[in-house]
Amino acid sequence: EAEVAQSPRYKITEKSQAVAFWCDPISGHATLYWYRQILGQGPELLVQFQDESVVDDSQLPKDRFSAERLKGVDSTLKIQPAELGDSAMYLCASSLRVPAYSGANVLTFGAGSRLTVL
Amino acid sequence: QQQVKQSPQSLIVQKGGISIINCAYENTAFDYFPWYQQFPGKGPALLIAIRPDVSEKKEGRFTISFNKSAKQFSLHIMDSQPGDSATYFCAASGSAAGSARQLTFGSGTQLTVLP
Repeated sequence: EAEVAQSPRYKITEKSQAVAFWCDPISGHATLYWYRQILGQGPELLVQFQDESVVDDSQLPKDRFSAERLKGVDSTLKIQPAELGDSAMYLCASSLRVPAYSGANVLTFGAGSRLTVL
Repeated sequence: QQQVKQSPQSLIVQKGGISIINCAYENTAFDYFPWYQQFPGKGPALLIAIRPDVSEKKEGRFTISFNKSAKQFSLHIMDSQPGDSATYFCAASGSAAGSARQLTFGSGTQLTVLP
């Protein structure tokens, strides 16, 4: 069964340090999402890519977060500098190309990268 | 802005019982309503989904009931089993002019099924 691969699974860092998370979506999935899930809450979208283009990054704290998907396949999410409030699970998900005005967003999630900022 | 409100936050049922989780939404542009199941240490996985043109969808022990006029939908788990113990998220997706289709999740319900 195809999976979304994420690494690292766990990351502990001190505040003000830089961290990076990597995601490899399911082959052929044009749409890639990064979500942040704070413990006890639902996932919140940070950024959405269609191929290599950002289609929504309105909830991404751009002063410290960046995301890229240079070749339209795998993606990297970076945080610099990390703050205590960034401690969360960072989930990557992918889906087939999503129609603009109708259709199901069937997302497949990876296992996530759990970040702890000390 | 919380566009999908989910309740209860936690739920404990006996094995064989019925688990019911409720969600309400505000955005009338939503047109796809999935439920995701998440086990500890794992990412959410799609469980079942419904479109607003039907009032109910059933897959095995899982049923979604949808009330378009009330802007509410619920997940019913019949004959709940200990293996169903997980966190359940409702979600909604839609498209407004100029924005990309994306999923908005509820806050989650932690279900515990006692043996």
